Amino acid sequence: NAGVTQTPKFQVLKTGQSMTLQCAQDMNHNSMYWYRQDPGMGLRLIYYSASEGTTDKGEVPNGYNVSRLNKREFSLRLESAAPSQTSVYFCASSPRHRDYGYTFGSGTRLTVV
Amino acid sequence: GESVGLHLPTLSVQEGDNSIINCAYSNSASDYFIWYKQESGKGPQFIIDIRSNMDKRQGQRVTVLLNKTVKHLSLQIAATQPGDSAVYFCAENNAGNMLTFGGGTRLMVKP
Repeated sequence: NAGVTQTPKFQVLKTGQSMTLQCAQDMNHNSMYWYRQDPGMGLRLIYYSASEGTTDKGEVPNGYNVSRLNKREFSLRLESAAPSQTSVYFCASSPRHRDYGYTFGSGTRLTVV
Repeated sequence: GESVGLHLPTLSVQEGDNSIINCAYSNSASDYFIWYKQESGKGPQFIIDIRSNMDKRQGQRVTVLLNKTVKHLSLQIAATQPGDSAVYFCAENNAGNMLTFGGGTRLMVKP
C-alpha cells in the first residue's frame, strides 16, 4: 500500500527515557515532515527535511532531533522524554518542498509518564 | 481554525443537509490555503486547496470560499453523509516554508 508508514502506533515512556519514531514513505517524495498534535494547538511542525540530506527546525523543535536516513525514511528522536512531549506525532511527505499536498501517516500516540 | 482542543467547536448536521465549516486565518500575506479532514485514529487527509488569487474553488461535493478582506475561509459540504463525520482543519502557508494549522472543527452527521 502506497503512503506514509509510521511505527510504532502507540508507546508509553517513562520520564527521561529515549526513543525513536520511525517514518517511511514509498511515493518517491522529496520532502518529509514531523508534526505533533495536541488538544487546542492544532498540528505544529517540529522538523522538516526539504530534500534528502537536509533538515531544518520547525515551530517546536526543542527536545527533538531528526535524521533523514535516505529519501524514504525520516526519523524523530526524543533523547530524554518529558511529560510535555505526550502527544500524537504525525509524519508527512510531499513531492517537493512548498508543494503542500501533504500525505500524512496514521500517527504515533506517545504518552510520557 | 479556532479551537479549544478537547472542546473542539462542533457542528452537528442532519444527513443530507449542507454543512459549512468556518476558519479565520492569521496572516494577510498567506497565499495558499488547504482544508484537511481527519477521521478518528487516522492522519489528516487533503480535501481541497485554494490560492489567494481565487475566491472560490469547487471539488466533488465540496466548495472552498476565501474572503481575503476579513481573512476568512469556509468549507461547504453538499448533501452531508455519515462518512463526512470527522475533524476538519484549515491550514495556511504563512511563513513560506511551512503550513500553519488551525485547531479544527468537529463535524457530526446525524442519520
